[in-house]
Amino acid sequence: EAGVAQSPRYKIIEKRQSVAFWCNPISGHATLYWYQQILGQGPKLLIQFQNNGVVDDSQLPKDRFSAERLKGVDSTLKIQPAKLEDSAVYLCASSLSTGAQETQYFGPGTRLLVL
Amino acid sequence: SQKIEQNSEALNIQEGKTATLTCNYTNYSPAYLQWYRQDPGRGPVFLLLIRENEKEKRKERLKVTFDTTLKQSLFHITASQPADSATYLCALEGSGAGSYQLTFGKGTKLSVIP
Repeated sequence: EAGVAQSPRYKIIEKRQSVAFWCNPISGHATLYWYQQILGQGPKLLIQFQNNGVVDDSQLPKDRFSAERLKGVDSTLKIQPAKLEDSAVYLCASSLSTGAQETQYFGPGTRLLVL
Repeated sequence: SQKIEQNSEALNIQEGKTATLTCNYTNYSPAYLQWYRQDPGRGPVFLLLIRENEKEKRKERLKVTFDTTLKQSLFHITASQPADSATYLCALEGSGAGSYQLTFGKGTKLSVIP
């Protein structure tokens, strides 16, 4: 079974530029998550999708971050404009559903450096 | 506000010994607690889940305990091996916004020394 795919793996941009990350979840997984992991911290949930609808985006900085999951499969996360403090690893994860005790499967992440 | 603390940022242990990692939480009543392993440059990988009404869970050389009175979980790796070296994250699972979500601790970096 193929895992969660993410691209690009690395990205270096200057502040105020825009950047987009792509995620392809495990086939059949209805729920998709985007996390931000700053160096030395645990992953922090940014947004959660169930199929193509947003379940929770309470921790997404909506003035600069946006995400979509068209057709309920792939997802993109965009930052515009980027700030220095956005330097982090952006992890995508998927699970079968939003129910309790669901295992989340993580992709390898996209490492973003904002200069 | 909710707070999750993992006992130390780094733990060094001799090969063959038992590694014990601690996860404490406050202002939270999780229904479940999960432990993940994260290797450098990779995403976290699920290891074990324990429910609030379970005291202990085992999987091969791994053992997790969950004490809701102390608000603490202990994660043990017996007969540790250098291949067990990684960062271990505890995650509390609770309901929010109509779904279940994970809140992660900072993690403990375990180094098993040959």
